[in-house]
Amino acid sequence: DTGVSQDPRHKITKRGQNVTFRCDPISEHNRLYWYRQTLGQGPEFLTYFQNEAQLEKSRLLSDRFSAERPKGSFSTLEIQRTEQGDSAMYLCASSTQGGSGNTIYFGEGSWLTVV
Amino acid sequence: AQTVTQSQPEMSVQEAETVTLSCTYDTSESDYYLFWYKQPPSRQMILVIRQEAYKQQNATENRFSVNFQKAAKSFSLKISDSQLGDAAMYFCAYRSADFGNEKLTFGTGTRLTIIP
Repeated sequence: DTGVSQDPRHKITKRGQNVTFRCDPISEHNRLYWYRQTLGQGPEFLTYFQNEAQLEKSRLLSDRFSAERPKGSFSTLEIQRTEQGDSAMYLCASSTQGGSGNTIYFGEGSWLTVV
Repeated sequence: AQTVTQSQPEMSVQEAETVTLSCTYDTSESDYYLFWYKQPPSRQMILVIRQEAYKQQNATENRFSVNFQKAAKSFSLKISDSQLGDAAMYFCAYRSADFGNEKLTFGTGTRLTIIP
């Protein structure tokens, strides 16, 4: 499978714990995106990388959230001191560079439940 | 800021019939891209069709076509000959054409049910 891969697919954690999600983009894609989707809503943009550089962060990305893409390949999204409001699906996506019309390919998402 | 509105939370259609999903958007930009994405249950979101705002011709992809009305800021999706596999959440999305403005802005989605 050469699509966008996310791990873990499901995570249940207690409030206050830290969680980390990993995303492996399509191999030739240098742009990588994180979105958050809650039930009944469309995905909301969190942040994106071009290679290893984090170029934009949404106001939704509070200080408890940090994303990295250390070698311009896979990315991690860490949530510290989780809160119940963090329960959502975290979507990773990737695309090639070359214009805003390029197709963005999504992974299957990582479901987070904070209890 | 751009906004995308999908006013139909749920739609249903008989198999083999045609259905149209509505989407409106608000923007002050003149150049942008519009997309319809499909999200089947527990499956990844996939691109159905896209439209460049500078193109007057409506995009088509097999059984999927759009009605793009730039002045009205409307972007509806028509699915012809509906199939059981079309059942999914459908999201309309907007993306600026400005280089470096990479984010997609999504609507709240329309859940499409196909009736056998």
